[in-house]
Amino acid sequence: DADVTQTPRNRITKTGKRIMLECSQTKGHDRMYWYRQDPGLGLRLIYYSFDVKDINKGEISDGYSVSRQAQAKFSLSLESAIPNQTALYFCATSDLNSGGYNEQFFGPGTRLTVL
Amino acid sequence: SQKIEQNSEALNIQEGKTATLTCNYTNYSPAYLQWYRQDPGRGPVFLLLIRENEKEKRKERLKVTFDTTLKQSLFHITASQPADSATYLCALDPYNTDKLIFGTGTRLQVFP
Repeated sequence: DADVTQTPRNRITKTGKRIMLECSQTKGHDRMYWYRQDPGLGLRLIYYSFDVKDINKGEISDGYSVSRQAQAKFSLSLESAIPNQTALYFCATSDLNSGGYNEQFFGPGTRLTVL
Repeated sequence: SQKIEQNSEALNIQEGKTATLTCNYTNYSPAYLQWYRQDPGRGPVFLLLIRENEKEKRKERLKVTFDTTLKQSLFHITASQPADSATYLCALDPYNTDKLIFGTGTRLQVFP
């Protein structure tokens, strides 16, 4: 089984709809991240969490919210989706005890299309 | 502005040759730099990390160099194979806060 899983893998939704993307991990890592990837812009950090009680905004948090339900689960919500949120979304994890070098493990991604 | 630059043009090379990809950054003094591989429609996969006090790091056919004076890392794949075709991303933690910034990646195509 994959260490970092994301659901759904693909989603098409309409402008104004609320949508949640879910991430689960079996790696036992404390740190989890949400990124979006757009052609020509690379990976950009949306939110991150260093433990269950810790939530932090990243570079592009506007229009998004997150919930860290447990060490293993980190969800990303779009309260009212808009077309420019169409992108590939990745969840990632890293280990606090990796020696301080933050190697990240990525999920397979969710392709989101907002019409 | 602070940023990481990778050649946005695809690199096309013949099988068996050495591929060299470049990552340049400005205004940072990172403690380390990482390289990832990303296949189409999939998440990035960590390949190598090089620390600021290391000039060179090797792993099998991969070699990474890190020049903190030039603010540049080079990523080499020797004896390249078609299976090496992918996009390669560099990443660094500019403020040592465990948040990575990624380059946009360079697509490598190895043809037989």
